[in-house]
Amino acid sequence: VHLVESGGGLVAPGGSLRLSCAASGFIFSDYSMVWVRQAPGKGLEWVASISSSRTYIFYADSVKGRFTISRDNADNSLYLQMNSLRAEDTSVYYCAREDVYFHFWSGYRHRSFDMWGQGTMVTVSS
Amino acid sequence: DIVMTQSPLFLPVTPGEPASISCRSSQSLLHSNGNNYLDWYLQKPGQSPQLLIYLGSTRASGVPDRFSASGSGTDFTLKISRVEAEDVGVYYCMQGLEALFTFGPGTKVDIK
Repeated sequence: VHLVESGGGLVAPGGSLRLSCAASGFIFSDYSMVWVRQAPGKGLEWVASISSSRTYIFYADSVKGRFTISRDNADNSLYLQMNSLRAEDTSVYYCAREDVYFHFWSGYRHRSFDMWGQGTMVTVSS
Repeated sequence: DIVMTQSPLFLPVTPGEPASISCRSSQSLLHSNGNNYLDWYLQKPGQSPQLLIYLGSTRASGVPDRFSASGSGTDFTLKISRVEAEDVGVYYCMQGLEALFTFGPGTKVDIK
């Protein structure tokens, strides 16, 4: 069971970058996925979520309108398109698998982020 | 958004001794379905975060039983019955009640 991020690097302010997360060892299309980031020396910040069939997509206010989460279930891949990058977007970006469960009357609910990748570093600087 | 706070932010521990971390949320994490949507994660030095506890008090697979968690509503606690050297790192609580997930600031646990 494995998640491997790629696509990080150095980009100028205002630039764009596309992160990828390759999944293996589980049925990717059965799971919601998320991106979580961590600025240097700081804590964890949830960035975006996408449900298994792309029905539900959510973004943190800090990235809404600039970042786009997507997935390709045929290719077992998760993506994060990052536009209009700012210095404050400098972080290690982790993809993680979200375990959800179905409650008989309250519907699909979060259970945990039960698997994490090793992260990819994004540096926004001139 | 739900704001998560933790205390203490730094916790020096002695191997073999117990340790406890508190987490509080700005809104109740107890859903009307009876579940508390509170997770605990540990990020060991140089590693990715790993899941410890979900739904307030359920240990994840492979997590040693020296870790336990309790609480409901807005107040939660993670306890380590006897700290081991491998437990050092930063512990984060996170609310999973709302789709816009939020983490606590983290509690750094280190050996005295």
